[in-house]
Amino acid sequence: GEDVEQSLFLSVREGDSSVINCTYTDSSSTYLYWYKQEPGAGLQLLTYIFSNMDMKQDQRLTVLLNKKDKHLSLRIADTQTGDSAIYFCAESPQNRDDKIIFGKGTRLHILP
Amino acid sequence: EAQVTQNPRYLITVTGKKLTVTCSQNMNHEYMSWYRQDPGLGLRQIYYSMNVEVTDKGDVPEGYKVSRKEKRNFPLILESPSPNQTSLYFCASKVTGGIGYTFGSGTRLTVV
Repeated sequence: GEDVEQSLFLSVREGDSSVINCTYTDSSSTYLYWYKQEPGAGLQLLTYIFSNMDMKQDQRLTVLLNKKDKHLSLRIADTQTGDSAIYFCAESPQNRDDKIIFGKGTRLHILP
Repeated sequence: EAQVTQNPRYLITVTGKKLTVTCSQNMNHEYMSWYRQDPGLGLRQIYYSMNVEVTDKGDVPEGYKVSRKEKRNFPLILESPSPNQTSLYFCASKVTGGIGYTFGSGTRLTVV
C-alpha cells in the first residue's frame, strides 16, 4: 500500500545545512510535499515538487526527487533557530485529489 | 485573511459525552478533510468531503461523523468519545486540483 517513511530526529548545528530524507512507495504520485509544523501550530506547506521534476530550489530550500529510488529530500541551507520544527514528507496519490499521505515527521533540532 | 478556523483549540471531555469540533474556511475551497495526529503514527485522514453534501471515509473513520451542509463548514462529530480518541485534530481545505491542503491550527482533544 501507500507509505511514506522518514527518520524521526535530526540534530544540526546552527549555520550548517540540514538534509531531511524521505522514501515513498507510490510511484504514481502526482505531487510530493514538505510541510512544516512549529510547536503548537498547524501544518504549513513549505514547498512541493511535481513528479516530473528532479529538483526545485526556493531561497534556502532545495528539494531533490529521485523517482527511480522513490526518494525525496529537503535541504535547508544555513539552518537557523527558527527552522526548529517537525518536517513532514507527503505525497498525493494519482487520481486522489482529496488525499495526502504523510510520513511520521522528522523533528529538526538546532544546536547552538 | 485566508484561513481555516477550528474551534475549540483545546477540549477535555468525559467518555460518552457527545462533542462537535467546528471547522470553517473562507477560501471557497471545495475539498475539506479531517486528520488526526498521534505520536509515532503521524497524520491520518479521518473523513473528507469533495463538496457540499459529498463526504467519504478516510483511513480511520470509526467513531467519527461529519457533515457538509455548507461549503465553508465541515464539523467533526464524536457521538460517544472514548479515550482512544484523545489526539490532536486538524481540519484542512483545498481547491479542486489545487496543490496541497491549507491546515487549521489544530484542536487538542483529551477524553478521560
